[in-house]
Amino acid sequence: ETGVTQTPRHLVMGMTNKKSLKCEQHLGHNAMYWYKQSAKKPLELMFVYSLEERVENNSVPSRFSPECPNSSHLFLHLHTLQPEDSALYLCASSQDGSSSGANVLTFGAGSRLTVL
Amino acid sequence: GQNIDQPTEMTATEGAIVQINCTYQTSGFNGLFWYQQHAGEAPTFLSYNVLDGLEEKGRFSSFLSRSKGYSYLLLKELQMKDSASYLCAVRDRDYKLSFGAGTTVTVRA
Repeated sequence: ETGVTQTPRHLVMGMTNKKSLKCEQHLGHNAMYWYKQSAKKPLELMFVYSLEERVENNSVPSRFSPECPNSSHLFLHLHTLQPEDSALYLCASSQDGSSSGANVLTFGAGSRLTVL
Repeated sequence: GQNIDQPTEMTATEGAIVQINCTYQTSGFNGLFWYQQHAGEAPTFLSYNVLDGLEEKGRFSSFLSRSKGYSYLLLKELQMKDSASYLCAVRDRDYKLSFGAGTTVTVRA
């Protein structure tokens, strides 16, 4: 496989469920990101990992918990979510989390989450 | 924080030209990006501008004026497959990347 792969592509969960989103990159990149994309709104950066260390957490509620076990894998653990958390969750990777140079993001196709 | 504005929707005819404008206000500037996102798919990188002027890549060109806080993406010889959302993103002095809400372009036959 190449690029950035996200699973599952679609997820429906109740507010009391616990689920996880998975992201895997096959590009040899050192930085990985979680973004939230809601209809008609800008992408919101949630978390950034550089060399497996969390370098940014944009005031995201604790019901979202990221995990980066190695530079190729990123998880987003979900617990007691709210209906307003329904959105497309995009994973991305880049060569270098320091953002020098172009540092282009490569995105996965996203996980469409619906919270009932 | 950043303020990035782009039109919500644009419609054009196959073979025509469409220009998508993006204005921004940021604390410092370290580059502007354009991404294309087809429905249900990943955003894909189109262009990067860090200096003033026009960058051309085939049918797509991107222009930047840092003094005006302004960029545009020009799509020439439109094809049906160009129907997508186009995202403008700006990186500030702290290298934080912020996105606009995207412009949905519909190409009609």
